[in-house]
Amino acid sequence: DVKVTQSSRYLVKRTGEKVFLECVQDMDHENMFWYRQDPGLGLRLIYFSYDVKMKEKGDIPEGYSVSREKKERFSLILESASTNQTSMYLCASTPPDRAYEQYFGPGTRLTVT
Amino acid sequence: AQKVTQAQTEISVVEKEDVTLDCVYETRDTTYYLFWYKQPPSGELVFLIRRNSFDEQNEISGRYSWNFQKSTSSFNFTITASQVVDSAVYFCALSEAEAAGNKLTFGGGTRVLVKP
Repeated sequence: DVKVTQSSRYLVKRTGEKVFLECVQDMDHENMFWYRQDPGLGLRLIYFSYDVKMKEKGDIPEGYSVSREKKERFSLILESASTNQTSMYLCASTPPDRAYEQYFGPGTRLTVT
Repeated sequence: AQKVTQAQTEISVVEKEDVTLDCVYETRDTTYYLFWYKQPPSGELVFLIRRNSFDEQNEISGRYSWNFQKSTSSFNFTITASQVVDSAVYFCALSEAEAAGNKLTFGGGTRVLVKP
């Protein structure tokens, strides 16, 4: 079974803190994605990566950065967390032979106070 | 730009009733893919189905069925004889063939509550 794991299910941080959200997949997937999920807005793409050290902005990259130093790991970084970044963050990856099929991690619910 | 609209934010039904979730999409591409995902209370999105724009055949999988109508840009999802375990948020999504990295655009989601 494909496994996409995220470092934390719940996280509480203070405004201005630097926050790292980690995502790891165990199936040698090429593409990896970070989304945020907010009620009524569905999932919105923050960043994605199609290879090690490669990244592309999604629809809402402002206030975020990413890092992909190894193929299996894709990190989302909030340089200076703000309250409007309180949200559910979901990581996904796609296998090379079925790039249309995204496998999602369990999500990290981040609260910024 | 591509867009997916799920007009129903929440649907409540009693067990064994049928429930239909609406999805309307916008795209300028002629080749695209449509998806449905289920998000149970545990939070992890589960892939349900993918259709490409050239295949308008309806599909049935157990109690689930999907109706793709290109003429109305709709890809509706029906759960027949609903069960409590169907309670979840359901997302419709679109991917354009030319989109880098197979990016998905999601609708806002429809929460389905099935009462016993």
